[in-house]
Amino acid sequence: AQSVTQPDARVTVSEGASLQLRCKYSSSVTPYLFWYVQYPRQGLQLLLKYYSGDPVVQGVNGFEAEFSKSNSSFHLRKASVHWSDSAVYFCAVSSITGNTRKLIFGLGTTLQVQP
Amino acid sequence: NAGVIQTPRHKVTGKGQEATLWCEPISGHSAVFWYRQTIVQGLEFLTYFRNQAPIDDSGMPKERFSAQMPNQSHSTLKIQSTQPQDSAVYLCASSLGRLGGPQDTQYFGPGTRLLVL
Repeated sequence: AQSVTQPDARVTVSEGASLQLRCKYSSSVTPYLFWYVQYPRQGLQLLLKYYSGDPVVQGVNGFEAEFSKSNSSFHLRKASVHWSDSAVYFCAVSSITGNTRKLIFGLGTTLQVQP
Repeated sequence: NAGVIQTPRHKVTGKGQEATLWCEPISGHSAVFWYRQTIVQGLEFLTYFRNQAPIDDSGMPKERFSAQMPNQSHSTLKIQSTQPQDSAVYLCASSLGRLGGPQDTQYFGPGTRLLVL
């Protein structure tokens, strides 16, 4: 069975600082990997996705993530955060085989950006 | 592109009443997914349709919950005899439904916040 672990429930950084949000996954085969962001009282917005190829994927608003098969990780990074990046970030995996494409989510990391 | 539309955005029901939640997928998308979000359990998969056919309902509670997709433009999630523990945000997502690759990306609606008193 697939699973996702986001070890940090809450991360606080200063505006302008760099950011890394951690994600570890468990899967028998390399899954599809996603990062979504959720702002208060809103649905999930896709930040970026990894399907294959270059392990570093670029997303919206300056976010990028790096896939590591050896570490079973898909960490999210941003070089310089803005106060508007404060939100909850979810890492998710999806099976690449079989007939289902359901997403398995981590519990999320709440990012607070301090001015 | 209006995105995934969910109605109502908020619903309050009394214990034992029925609740029906609506989802309109992005035009041209043939796959629809339902998820439930709570503080305690996080985001949980409920059910998935492709080309209106149920594909995976492994996350649906066996009692009181049902989902349908009568046409390609909308899906419904019905909860009978609602209980306080059903209080959650119910999220609908859609994708192009083509298995494999970027076409599988799911786009989410804003959710329906259900409160059962």
